[in-house]
Amino acid sequence: AQSVAQPEDQVNVAEGNPLTVKCTYSVSGNPYLFWYVQYPNRGLQFLLKYITGDNLVKGSYGFEAEFNKSQTSFHLKKPSALVSDSALYFCATKDNTDKLIFGTGTRLQVFP
Amino acid sequence: DTAVSQTPKYLVTQMGNDKSIKCEQNLGHDTMYWYKQDSKKFLKIMFSYNNKELIINETVPNRFSPKSPDKAHLNLHINSLELGDSAVYFCASSQAPDSYEQYFGPGTRLTVT
Repeated sequence: AQSVAQPEDQVNVAEGNPLTVKCTYSVSGNPYLFWYVQYPNRGLQFLLKYITGDNLVKGSYGFEAEFNKSQTSFHLKKPSALVSDSALYFCATKDNTDKLIFGTGTRLQVFP
Repeated sequence: DTAVSQTPKYLVTQMGNDKSIKCEQNLGHDTMYWYKQDSKKFLKIMFSYNNKELIINETVPNRFSPKSPDKAHLNLHINSLELGDSAVYFCASSQAPDSYEQYFGPGTRLTVT
């Protein structure tokens, strides 16, 4: 079965520092991978996707993600974190019935 | 202009009651979804409709019954509410079932006492 794992419940980073939120996947066939963000008391918002092509995918709000086939990873990154980036981040994949399968989420806390 | 809206935002009710949550999208999408997010923030799909037809029906108690009167609306009716139904319920939509991006509503926080 398709699945994604987010090994960190929380990531803390100082404003201005680079951030990484980790995701690994277990997928049969070509992986379709996504990142969504959930701000407090809001619904999820799509950040970016990897379907095929370049391993470095650029998304909204300055975020990017790196697809690494050998490590089966799809880590979310940003060169310089903002306090406003503090939120819950979900990695996701699609199964062969087009269902989105979400990871358990990682809370990003950016400190001033 | 809210793309995906849900009502109510908060719902507090007692065990055994029946309640409904409404969802509307003004994006012209064909596909709509209901998700449940539990207290640990774990998010799981419950149902999906495409052009008013049910296409995904996860292992959900039959106390939960979705209804799609038209493409722009997907409502969720819950009978005989239980404590374990307490969660945040999110509606979402996408252009098609195989679209890569889904648009989520703000959520309905259901508390069953």
